Amino acid sequence: EAQVTQNPRYLITVTGKKLTVTCSQNMNHEYMSWYRQDPGLGLRQIYYSMNVEVTDKGDVPEGYKVSRKEKRNFPLILESPSPNQTSLYFCASIPLASGRYNEQYFGPGTRLTVT
Amino acid sequence: AQKVTQAQTEISVVEKEDVTLDCVYETRDTTYYLFWYKQPPSGELVFLIRRNSFDEQNEISGRYSWNFQKSTSSFNFTITASQVVDSAVYFCALSEAITGTSYGKLTFGQGTILTVHP
Repeated sequence: EAQVTQNPRYLITVTGKKLTVTCSQNMNHEYMSWYRQDPGLGLRQIYYSMNVEVTDKGDVPEGYKVSRKEKRNFPLILESPSPNQTSLYFCASIPLASGRYNEQYFGPGTRLTVT
Repeated sequence: AQKVTQAQTEISVVEKEDVTLDCVYETRDTTYYLFWYKQPPSGELVFLIRRNSFDEQNEISGRYSWNFQKSTSSFNFTITASQVVDSAVYFCALSEAITGTSYGKLTFGQGTILTVHP
């Protein structure tokens, strides 16, 4: 089944403890991105990647890192999480090479709480 | 810069009422795409519709309908005869065409929380 998976789905952690949220897609999509969702703000893009080893900042990149060593994986790294990073996170992918560049495939979301 | 505004933060209706969710957007692009997503209480994003800027025809899918008006930069969503299962957060979103500098990125509105009471 074609899908975007995220792990973990739920995470409660403490301030300063490094964590990684994984994102993986099995559709060979070139484009991947991360969004965070906060009440009253909708979803905002954190980082995106056009292809392997090509990443760039979105609208709210502060406090996050990403890497794209393989086409299928796009992990989101919080090196020193803070309470203001408590949010619902979504990973998404797009099949750019096929020309269907406006078909967004979203993962199920990761609910992160930083205390 | 692109912007999407959903002025209605929360809407509460009784079952069987019709309800319209408003969406107003701003973009300098002539080619763009508009979307609606539903987020039920379980949290996942459910794709409802994608419409390109050259297609102003209204669309109907069952109890759902969408009214796209370029003249007012609006892409409103109407649920006819609402049901309790329609209770969710609804997001309107905008993306550029592939010729834009930030294609791939979705710009979301703030979301509208719809509650349908039995």
